[in-house]
Amino acid sequence: GENVEQHPSTLSVQEGDSAVIKCTYSDSASNYFPWYKQELGKRPQLIIDIRSNVGEKKDQRIAVTLNKTAKHFSLHITETQPEDSAVYFCAASKSNSGYALNFGKGTSLLVTP
Amino acid sequence: EPEVTQTPSHQVTQMGQEVILRCVPISNHLYFYWYRQILGQKVEFLVSFYNNEISEKSEIFDDQFSVERPDGSNFTLKIRSTKLEDSAMYFCANSWGSNTEAFFGQGTRLTVV
Repeated sequence: GENVEQHPSTLSVQEGDSAVIKCTYSDSASNYFPWYKQELGKRPQLIIDIRSNVGEKKDQRIAVTLNKTAKHFSLHITETQPEDSAVYFCAASKSNSGYALNFGKGTSLLVTP
Repeated sequence: EPEVTQTPSHQVTQMGQEVILRCVPISNHLYFYWYRQILGQKVEFLVSFYNNEISEKSEIFDDQFSVERPDGSNFTLKIRSTKLEDSAMYFCANSWGSNTEAFFGQGTRLTVV
């Protein structure tokens, strides 16, 4: 089955700096790659997603890049703010698996003022 | 924003007992999922449900688990005979189409004692 690896497991940055989280996936048939933010004790919430026919997508301070050949995708957060502190999960899914999301292990991001 | 509602928010049950976790999905969203998250770990896929049948299930989703939409609206997860290791947060998720945003409910924290 699909295996999603995520790095780093923890990341600490100063407010205003950029944060980058990287994921790799194993199944070349995966074609949908969402990123979820989970605050302590709350539900995962989608922050951005990308499909395999696109190499990059940006939404304000957040961007995601996808390299299908290398089977990796990354989340970039610029101008980080303390409220960006949370656990971020990458995921991958494909059409013939019921669109099940296979999640990475998460990155705990801490933004210090 | 559309919302998936889960009940109860917290359930404590004795080992060996049956539990039913309930989810009210977003209307007109056709794909249904259950995920679980053991404390401090990643979100794990359990099962996906589409067109009134299971479309995919993980190794975790063994014979102790079942899902149904008893009234064509609510979506339930039943665990027949709970084990200590079933203790986790269970999330229902819902998406309107294939490879589109999965909206997560707020979760049911299941504690098996």
